[in-house]
Amino acid sequence: GQQLNQSPQSMFIQEGEDVSMNCTSSSIFNTWLWYKQDPGEGPVLLIALYKAGELTSNGRLTAQFGITRKDSFLNISASIPSDVGIYFCAGPDRFSGNTGKLIFGQGTTLQVKP
Amino acid sequence: DGGITQSPKYLFRKEGQNVTLSCEQNLNHDAMYWYRQDPGQGLRLIYYSQIVNDFQKGDIAEGYSVSREKKESFPLTVTSAQKNPTAFYLCASSKGQYNEQFFGPGTRLTVL
Repeated sequence: GQQLNQSPQSMFIQEGEDVSMNCTSSSIFNTWLWYKQDPGEGPVLLIALYKAGELTSNGRLTAQFGITRKDSFLNISASIPSDVGIYFCAGPDRFSGNTGKLIFGQGTTLQVKP
Repeated sequence: DGGITQSPKYLFRKEGQNVTLSCEQNLNHDAMYWYRQDPGQGLRLIYYSQIVNDFQKGDIAEGYSVSREKKESFPLTVTSAQKNPTAFYLCASSKGQYNEQFFGPGTRLTVL
């Protein structure tokens, strides 16, 4: 089946630094979703991408839908301590019909040092 | 406010007991989902439902059961057949053919 590979698995950065993480697959996706999960909480949708090449921002967050449709990138500018958490990419399972079933990456854990 | 609620936040049960986790949404979403998350792991799909009175097994359905008698509610029962039930359980919902899923706050189940 389809799989999503996120990298890096974890990051430890200084407050104020920019962050970049990505999500790749061997098969194409028609939608890319980026979520953030705080410890002990449910994931929160950050950005949704629907078109190859699309670049979308949400505050200090910017995400891009790769031209090949096999990857997506999430960038965080000027990181702050509350950016700490796990970031997941997700996309619809093409082989599940119109069920809405999503495939999730394994997550990138971000830690920010004040 | 519209959203998804899960209760309780923490749940403790003895081994061999069935336990039911609640999930309610007032977003008027047709589809609902249950995921399991283990420490340091991603999300694995247990069951999903696209419409009332219909549901399908996800990737790890063994030892779990669900019902969808109302659009707003999708309870998950963790049965004694589930070999390793201690985990963080997340419920999500989405509008029918749209793929953005919105998550509840989760229930942490610990089986003693």
